[in-house]
Amino acid sequence: QQQVKQSPQSLIVQKGGIPIINCAYENTAFDYFPWYQQFPGKGPALLIAIRPDVSEKKEGRFTISFNKSAKQFSLHIMDSQPGDSATYFCAASKHGGSEKLVFGKGMKLTVNP
Amino acid sequence: DVKVTQSSRYLVKRTGEKVFLECVQDMDHENMFWYRQDPGLGLRLIYFSYDVKMKEKGDIPEGYSVSREKKERFSLILESASTNQTSMYLCASSYLGGGYTFGSGTRLTVV
Repeated sequence: QQQVKQSPQSLIVQKGGIPIINCAYENTAFDYFPWYQQFPGKGPALLIAIRPDVSEKKEGRFTISFNKSAKQFSLHIMDSQPGDSATYFCAASKHGGSEKLVFGKGMKLTVNP
Repeated sequence: DVKVTQSSRYLVKRTGEKVFLECVQDMDHENMFWYRQDPGLGLRLIYFSYDVKMKEKGDIPEGYSVSREKKERFSLILESASTNQTSMYLCASSYLGGGYTFGSGTRLTVV
């Protein structure tokens, strides 16, 4: 049973576009939702994270939107650049992140110049 | 800068060999994790550890074991390597309630 479902699997956008990556979760006990970014040949790196007491969090060009009633959260990348081309993973955890993360399957983003 | 270091970037081993993948973190993190990453399957948890000498099975522990004798080091052991264990292996560490820091990965090929 996949506890965190991520979509789409891949996405190609033009420079300046706003790619949106969606994740849905099953377990209502999840209360910590991070996003990781992975470049080829590197391990994933924490990009931004949200807790369910807020509906939106913004860091630079990256924004997480969180919908607790729908059990969904999404990552928006404003003014996307070719350097944003990477694989993005959503994840979820219980107890404020103190338990192990459950990852989505990842989405490969390509931003064309 | 915090670091998780995996001992090898690329490794080629023969079927049936015993394989050791080493991971060291310099952040005094309590938690350490081993994942494998395969195209279309995302990150799958093999084993994790919340403390020295403690280990817990993840989602796909079959064919693997781990060792954590010191807080900073977490080793993944393939008891008898098989071709279906050809994969990218990622180690991560975290403190309680914190995000994960991943290593750069070891690409293992079993021939």
